[in-house]
Amino acid sequence: ETGVTQTPRHLVMGMTNKKSLKCEQHLGHNAMYWYKQSAKKPLELMFVYSLEERVENNSVPSRFSPECPNSSHLFLHLHTLQPEDSALYLCASSPRGNSYNEQFFGPGTRLTVL
Amino acid sequence: ILNVEQSPQSLHVQEGDSTNFTCSFPSSNFYALHWYRWETAKSPEALFVMTLNGDEKKKGRISATLNTKEGYSYLYIKGSQPEDSATYLCAFDNQAGTALIFGKGTTLSVSS
Repeated sequence: ETGVTQTPRHLVMGMTNKKSLKCEQHLGHNAMYWYKQSAKKPLELMFVYSLEERVENNSVPSRFSPECPNSSHLFLHLHTLQPEDSALYLCASSPRGNSYNEQFFGPGTRLTVL
Repeated sequence: ILNVEQSPQSLHVQEGDSTNFTCSFPSSNFYALHWYRWETAKSPEALFVMTLNGDEKKKGRISATLNTKEGYSYLYIKGSQPEDSATYLCAFDNQAGTALIFGKGTTLSVSS
């Protein structure tokens, strides 16, 4: 166990639905990340939060909306997604100020958009 | 565009075999190279963080080497066991920001 949990583990949604993915860590880390992994592609960074402020948005469509209410929780709000958004969404955290950016990952949410 | 390449994409070995995979990364602006082990339905788990040219790190039967001048790292598994079956990811950190740049991984399957 890495200490990073994600819920739900699996999600099926229609294109008109609104849903949220949740990530939680109790490692005392102050940076959190959302990654996307599509089939046969490497992990792609979506968003980075450091000390609850968004510091990086990697050209992600606005139908994905992150929220970081505190340093232990990270959400990804989803609305009007497309079938090509079906993927594994991974959350990670790291202790900023950690020299080598070692990231601790959750197990991911497998998302299917119908 | 920064590219991290891993080879082979997948391989299948017998229990007891030793094996190795390659990670290639840009040789400029190197800061760190990370190896992760990712079992199906679990979280990617950090194996090594490598920072210095010539670094060699070892954890049990798994070891890794680093050549920052030519831009590659090798991961070795000695005497593979079925529990070593996983996808092994490498990630390049150029300190340009917070992002790690991942390769697609090498998926290892070990048969008993």
